[in-house]
Amino acid sequence: GAGVSQSPSNKVTEKGKDVELRCDPISGHTALYWYRQSLGQGLEFLIYFQGNSAPDKSGLPSDRFSAERTGGSVSTLTIQRTQQEDSAVYLCASSLDGGSVDTQYFGPGTRLTVL
Amino acid sequence: SQQGEEDPQALSIQEGENATMNCSYKTSINNLQWYRQNSGRGLVHLILIRSNEREKHSGRLRVTLDTSKKSSSLLITASRAADTASYFCATDASGGSNYKLTFGKGTLLTVNP
Repeated sequence: GAGVSQSPSNKVTEKGKDVELRCDPISGHTALYWYRQSLGQGLEFLIYFQGNSAPDKSGLPSDRFSAERTGGSVSTLTIQRTQQEDSAVYLCASSLDGGSVDTQYFGPGTRLTVL
Repeated sequence: SQQGEEDPQALSIQEGENATMNCSYKTSINNLQWYRQNSGRGLVHLILIRSNEREKHSGRLRVTLDTSKKSSSLLITASRAADTASYFCATDASGGSNYKLTFGKGTLLTVNP
């Protein structure tokens, strides 16, 4: 079946602009995760959605970052007033029902470049 | 701070040789997972080992876990050029929020044909 998809695959923007990154999880997966991978860094957890529960936003680096998940499926990560340090690959993952024994399936990522 | 730290940072071997990568972590965990990443994009889940397990096999992969030393190793036997990728260990936090994986910076494996 279809895996996790993300769009766009690449995004180049100017400093100060807002960007929206989209994630389509695997159908039937109730848990959705966003991670960020910066050059030379490991993956940083950003946010976690599970069903109708309040999301865990503890990894969002600043209030310029927000995410929502509509209808328990598609998720959008929004970065307002982008800065150069926001340049990174943003990875989305989904899993069946959350929890650490639940395999997280990753999308191909969106490479964001802020000029 | 990074929970998992892999070493070496980079490893170059010849096809057919074995590759061993190590991971150390700092806090108690429920599980440890290994992922592969090709070309800096999506990650592929390889194997999960629970904290009460010491060794696990999957095809050419062998993972060990030593909770007393807070370390794990990933062995790839009879490597192939297609194994060239970055390999990451990921740990969860025991207790609440165990969905939150913490990744190390990875080991870049190059398998030369």
